[in-house]
Amino acid sequence: EIVMTQSPATLSVSPGERATLSCRASQSVNTNLAWYQQKPGQAPRLLIYAASTRATGMPARFSGSGSGTEFTLTISSLQSEDFAVYYCQQYNNWPPTYTFGQGTKLEIK
Amino acid sequence: QVQLQESGPGLVKPSQTLSLTCSVSGGSISSGNYYWSWIRQHPGKGLEWIGYIYYSGSTYYNPSLKRRLTISLDTSKNEFSLELSFVTAADTAVYYCARDLNGYGYYFDPWGQGTPVTVSS
Repeated sequence: EIVMTQSPATLSVSPGERATLSCRASQSVNTNLAWYQQKPGQAPRLLIYAASTRATGMPARFSGSGSGTEFTLTISSLQSEDFAVYYCQQYNNWPPTYTFGQGTKLEIK
Repeated sequence: QVQLQESGPGLVKPSQTLSLTCSVSGGSISSGNYYWSWIRQHPGKGLEWIGYIYYSGSTYYNPSLKRRLTISLDTSKNEFSLELSFVTAADTAVYYCARDLNGYGYYFDPWGQGTPVTVSS
């Protein structure tokens, strides 16, 4: 099973600053990686897929990069509504498996 | 656009079968070559993919749940369902249904709002 490890577990950043979140896969997932944002009491929402493609309607301040085993989600200038938990998720073709990282909580500094 | 809504009992007794339904609106569940998944989130924890059913009816389950799991499709009602047998406290979680993004099965979008399930006597 491919294990996804996110770091840090908690990230404290001030509004207007840049946030960088990391996700590492235990083996290569090519670019089959997504990022989700989850706010309290809500379902996760797709932010980035295929490692670097923004989902429809997602602001340009969200960007993703990486391939293979190392991935990064960057939020260029944090807005108040961006403070949430972020999960990465990989997809493996066969057998089809989906695994999520344990999440990074982005909190206001 | 497509919207998903989970429904089912919020409380299930240990050793019983958990049954949940995901109602789909804004599109037909039997068209578009999509994968329809169940995902759960244990209290205060991360996300676990449970399994999917393809629009054609074929399924694939998380190996850790395979022996207890059935996912089915009801095209007449435009919904799909989950049955998880012999539940224990470890199955207490918020259960989400989701569709894949674009028919390739890689990513989840949209999601339902989630339904909490507690396993307790």
